[in-house]
Amino acid sequence: DADVTQTPRNRITKTGKRIMLECSQTKGHDRMYWYRQDPGLGLRLIYYSFDVKDINKGEISDGYSVSRQAQAKFSLSLESAIPNQTALYFCATSDFGQGGTNTGELFFGEGSRLTVL
Amino acid sequence: GEDVEQSLFLSVREGDSSVINCTYTDSSSTYLYWYKQEPGAGLQLLTYIFSNMDMKQDQRLTVLLNKKDKHLSLRIADTQTGDSAIYFCAESSLYGNNRLAFGKGNQVVVIP
Repeated sequence: DADVTQTPRNRITKTGKRIMLECSQTKGHDRMYWYRQDPGLGLRLIYYSFDVKDINKGEISDGYSVSRQAQAKFSLSLESAIPNQTALYFCATSDFGQGGTNTGELFFGEGSRLTVL
Repeated sequence: GEDVEQSLFLSVREGDSSVINCTYTDSSSTYLYWYKQEPGAGLQLLTYIFSNMDMKQDQRLTVLLNKKDKHLSLRIADTQTGDSAIYFCAESSLYGNNRLAFGKGNQVVVIP
């Protein structure tokens, strides 16, 4: 089983609908991140969380919200989806600051492809 | 602020060497990374280099860091068809909050 699991893997929805993308991890990492990937634009950070009480906006948080329900779960919501939110979304985790090698490596899920019509 | 630049596409013949380049702007970067994304998959860390190093070699991979010019490169020797992927460079600062900044990615296509 994957250490970082995203659901759903694919979703097609209509403009104005509310969408939730979920991420769960079994790695015991405190830090979790949501990125979106667009062709030619690379990965851009939407939100990140260092623990269940610490949530921060990334560079493109407008139109998104998040919830850190537990150490292992971090969900991303689009309250009213619009077509330019069509993208591939990645959840990632990190154990930075928890001891160990502390290289800052991110561990990614396999992605959730969202299409907004 | 953080800004990481990469070229977008590279085509290489199987067995040749591939070189992917990246420039970054954050002089406080502590770690620089190369991630690999295979089709339909998430990103996986390929290798990383600490900012006080000039070079790191790991089997077929050689990472060169020119801190003065803020230039990072990845050389893949004896490129294989399994090396076809998108490669992202990224940087972070231990003095910040470990928010990795990624480049736009470089697609490498290996021709048999």
